[in-house]
Amino acid sequence: QKEVEQNSGPLSVPEGAIASLNCTYSDRGSQSFFWYRQYSGKSPELIMSIYSNGDKEDGRFTAQLNKASQYVSLLIRDSQPSDSATYLCAVNSPGGYQKVTFGTGTKLQVIP
Amino acid sequence: EPEVTQTPSHQVTQMGQEVILRCVPISNHLYFYWYRQILGQKVEFLVSFYNNEISEKSEIFDDQFSVERPDGSNFTLKIRSTKLEDSAMYFCAGRTSGSHEQYFGPGTRLTVT
Repeated sequence: QKEVEQNSGPLSVPEGAIASLNCTYSDRGSQSFFWYRQYSGKSPELIMSIYSNGDKEDGRFTAQLNKASQYVSLLIRDSQPSDSATYLCAVNSPGGYQKVTFGTGTKLQVIP
Repeated sequence: EPEVTQTPSHQVTQMGQEVILRCVPISNHLYFYWYRQILGQKVEFLVSFYNNEISEKSEIFDDQFSVERPDGSNFTLKIRSTKLEDSAMYFCAGRTSGSHEQYFGPGTRLTVT
């Protein structure tokens, strides 16, 4: 069973701080990694994708990938109360059709 | 910016009834997926669909489930005889052939009573 593991949280950070979210995955063949944001009662919203080792930055978000350690992380700089949501780590299955396996998500609370 | 749409937003049905959940994917998407999320649990893959055929399905996607693309736009998930445990949010997602990124619709909340 291919797994994606995340700490469920909640992770509480003060407004303006850096939030650090972590994820590990079990399938060494996975090539594509995603972070989705999900507000309560809403659908997952893609915020970052990363495919190669290292860092990828997009605005206040930085995704980090270490395939040797099977580890993905998401940093949110200058956290805002509107960032309060559940962050889902997702990993693709290698092959043509690329279904995605999700972790259970980490709930982030940004305290004003 | 184009978006995936889903109808209805909420469906209430009695156990044993058939339901059809509908999705209109983004026009340039070629790969389609259905996922479900039971309240408080993780998002789970149900089925992928490409070139008018099921390409992969999970253990959840048993004989009670079917998918089809009846015309060039709509993509449907049918549950033939609903059970209480089918109560969940059902999400349609799609992607282009050149990208691994899947974009989700707003979901249909299915409540089976």
